[in-house]
Amino acid sequence: TQLLEQSPQFLSIQEGENLTVYCNSSSVFSSLQWYRQEPGEGPVLLVTVVTGGEVKKLKRLTFQFGDARKDSSLHITAAQPGDTGLYLCAGDPSGTYKYIFGTGTRLKVLA
Amino acid sequence: ETGVTQTPRHLVMGMTNKKSLKCEQHLGHNAMYWYKQSAKKPLELMFVYSLEERVENNSVPSRFSPECPNSSHLFLHLHTLQPEDSALYLCASSQDAGIRYGYTFGSGTRLTVV
Repeated sequence: TQLLEQSPQFLSIQEGENLTVYCNSSSVFSSLQWYRQEPGEGPVLLVTVVTGGEVKKLKRLTFQFGDARKDSSLHITAAQPGDTGLYLCAGDPSGTYKYIFGTGTRLKVLA
Repeated sequence: ETGVTQTPRHLVMGMTNKKSLKCEQHLGHNAMYWYKQSAKKPLELMFVYSLEERVENNSVPSRFSPECPNSSHLFLHLHTLQPEDSALYLCASSQDAGIRYGYTFGSGTRLTVV
């Protein structure tokens, strides 16, 4: 069974702190995405990474795809309360629609 | 309206009831999906429709019955559900049936089976 393990599961930090969330698997993915889901809403796509070693930046968020395309990380600089939510990674192991979602990291940023 | 719209937002139903969830997308996408999100479990893919044809049925019990009358609409018909079916049901769409293009999710229907 292919799994995408995210760590940590829960994270509570103060406004202004930095944090990193990890998404790991034993499988190789042709592409990987990160989503943020706020309470009562569906996940919203943040980024797609497709090349091993790729780094993408979205304002204070930095996404990295591992060289072997088995893992990814999301780094948030100077976290703000608006960053609060459930962060999900999703991987496409075979280049088709048969992809899987990670276990999720629930982030709470305190003002 | 833009994006993916799901109705109803909340639904409480008894185990003997029949109800339907509706999803509508105004993005011109040609693939639509149903996902189940339960507490403490990753999102589970239930059904995939590409160009109105079902291309994936991820071992979902027959008490869940999808319908895709056209590329903009997707339904999930529910009957004789069990309490463990209580969850957030999310609809999503994409340009093609592949995650590379990204999914646009609706806000979900919070289903409670009593």
